Formats: sequence, structure tokens, C-alpha cells
Amino acid sequence: KQEVTQIPAALSVPEGENLVLNCSFTDSAIYNLQWFRQDPGKGLTSLLLIQSSQREQTSGRLNASLDKSSGRSTLYIAASQPGDSATYLCAVPDNYGQNFVFGPGTRLSVLP
Amino acid sequence: KAGVTQTPRYLIKTRGQQVTLSCSPISGHRSVSWYQQTPGQGLQFLFEYFSETQRNKGNFPGRFSGRQFSNSRSEMNVSTLELGDSALYLCASSLQPGQGNEKLFFGSGTQLSVL
Repeated sequence: KQEVTQIPAALSVPEGENLVLNCSFTDSAIYNLQWFRQDPGKGLTSLLLIQSSQREQTSGRLNASLDKSSGRSTLYIAASQPGDSATYLCAVPDNYGQNFVFGPGTRLSVLP
Repeated sequence: KAGVTQTPRYLIKTRGQQVTLSCSPISGHRSVSWYQQTPGQGLQFLFEYFSETQRNKGNFPGRFSGRQFSNSRSEMNVSTLELGDSALYLCASSLQPGQGNEKLFFGSGTQLSVL
């Protein structure tokens, strides 16, 4: 059964810092991984989708990498801003590739 | 292009009642998935619909059901509500079913409180 963990659970940093969020999954036979952002009481916004054949994806100040063999992905946020404050979740397909299994998320606070 | 629309935004019910939540996917998207989000369990998959057919279902009791209409709009129903059903219910749409190479687009959710 696919399981996803994320560390740290919460992170507080001053504005301008570069930071890394970590995601681990137990079954490496995945064909993609997505990173999402969720603001309090709201739905999720897809940030990056990495295919299994890719090693990383970039969008603006965000860069996500995928290492299937080790069952890990990292989300790198450059020059963090207060507007980046949110919960970040990663998700991978379940063992049948039919729905996503989500991690518990990392709650990020960027202080001005 | 309008995003995924969920109604209502908030609901307050009492134990034993039933509730129906609605989701309109992005135009052209034919797959709709439902997720339950609670502080203790996180995001858990409920079910997925494509072309008016349930493709798969998560590990939830039969009190949770859903359907999809010919215009791809979906509803989920929870009968005999329990306190533990209090949660944020999220709907997501994608072009195709399964999670191959499809991005998921989420609605803002329906916050259900059971008293």
C-alpha cells in the first residue's frame, strides 16, 4: 500500500530565505508526482507535475525534483515571500494508479 | 475558463440527517474525484466518476455515495450523518480518468459541520 510522508510538518522562515520541503513515498513504481499548495479552508492548487521520466520541473521560483529509486521528492522555493505561506502537499498515484495518495503536508509560514 | 465549482460552501447539519454536495468540473473535463479532508486523517479518496460511471471507490462506508450526470457534473451524498463526517469535502476534475499524466484541478470545497 502506497504511503506518503512529508517533513518537516511545519516550517517558519524569514522572508527572502531559500527553503526545501521533503516528500517520501514507499512504492517507487509511480509514473508521476504532483505538488500542491493549499491555503487555509480552501481547495488545492496544483503547482508542479513531474512525470516518472523526468528528474525535475521548474515554475518560477519553484523547483521540484524526483528520485524514484530512493522514493523521494523535494520542492525548492527560492527567495520566499509572505505570500508563499500555505500548506504544501505532495501526492502520488496509489498502487493501482487509480487515485492519488496525499502526504500530510508541510505548513509553511514566511515572516515579513 | 471557469474553475471547479462546489456548492454549497458551508453546511451545518445534525446527526442522522443526510446531505448532498454538488461539483461542476472545468468545462471539457470528464473525470471527477471526491476527497475528504480532516485534520486527523488528512486527504482521503472517496470515489471517482467518468462518463457517469464510478470507476473506483475509497475505503468509506456505504453511507457515502455519488453520481455523475451526462454534463459531467457530480453530486455526492452522505446519509445518516455522524459527528465524524465533519470535514472539508473536495472535488477535483481532470480531462481523463486515472492519474496517468493528468493534473488535478480542485474546487474550494464544502465545509460540512455535523452537530
